[in-house]
Amino acid sequence: NAGVTQTPKFRILKIGQSMTLQCTQDMNHNYMYWYRQDPGMGLKLIYYSVGAGITDKGEVPNGYNVSRSTTEDFPLRLELAAPSQTSVYFCASSYEGGTINYGYTFGSGTRLTVV
Amino acid sequence: TQLLEQSPQFLSIQEGENLTVYCNSSSVFSSLQWYRQEPGEGPVLLVTVVTGGEVKKLKRLTFQFGDARKDSSLHITAAQPGDTGLYLCAGAQTGTYKYIFGTGTRLKVLA
Repeated sequence: NAGVTQTPKFRILKIGQSMTLQCTQDMNHNYMYWYRQDPGMGLKLIYYSVGAGITDKGEVPNGYNVSRSTTEDFPLRLELAAPSQTSVYFCASSYEGGTINYGYTFGSGTRLTVV
Repeated sequence: TQLLEQSPQFLSIQEGENLTVYCNSSSVFSSLQWYRQEPGEGPVLLVTVVTGGEVKKLKRLTFQFGDARKDSSLHITAAQPGDTGLYLCAGAQTGTYKYIFGTGTRLKVLA
């Protein structure tokens, strides 16, 4: 039972480079999310998806893009990396089928440094 | 505006002590979750509370949802160093799909 798998765990990027953070879940969850967590700070929502083919912006989407071609995968793309994108990135998923949210399953994170 | 305020922000206690962490809001939540996050890892879901007044126990951890579903508490009995971490409450306000994370309580249990 893998849950939510993120790769890579660590990455150093130079300013202006691009990369894709991978996220896969095997729980057949319909909702998926990308958060960033800066040191000593809370979780900020970047993008989310309510199902394959549907994505929407969170509170800090600038500089990022996402796609959701399958239920399982939700990659996050960074274009033209900037030092302000240095952070720890978490992917999460949940099953939303009614009025009650039963919580999220998080991946173990990708620690990204932009130099 | 932060809708879920946690207190205390930081807590450092000795092994064996008891502690309570609070999660408060002026809004009503349809459900509320508690997570624990250890350094270098993602948050791990501990519990979901749904019904006002509900109490759930997970070994030495006791979770309570307020009668009005606006607040929650986490009580740890006989804390151990393994309880060290960042504790987050989170939930979705009734009538919305927006999921809110609390401000967090950073707990350190000293051996």
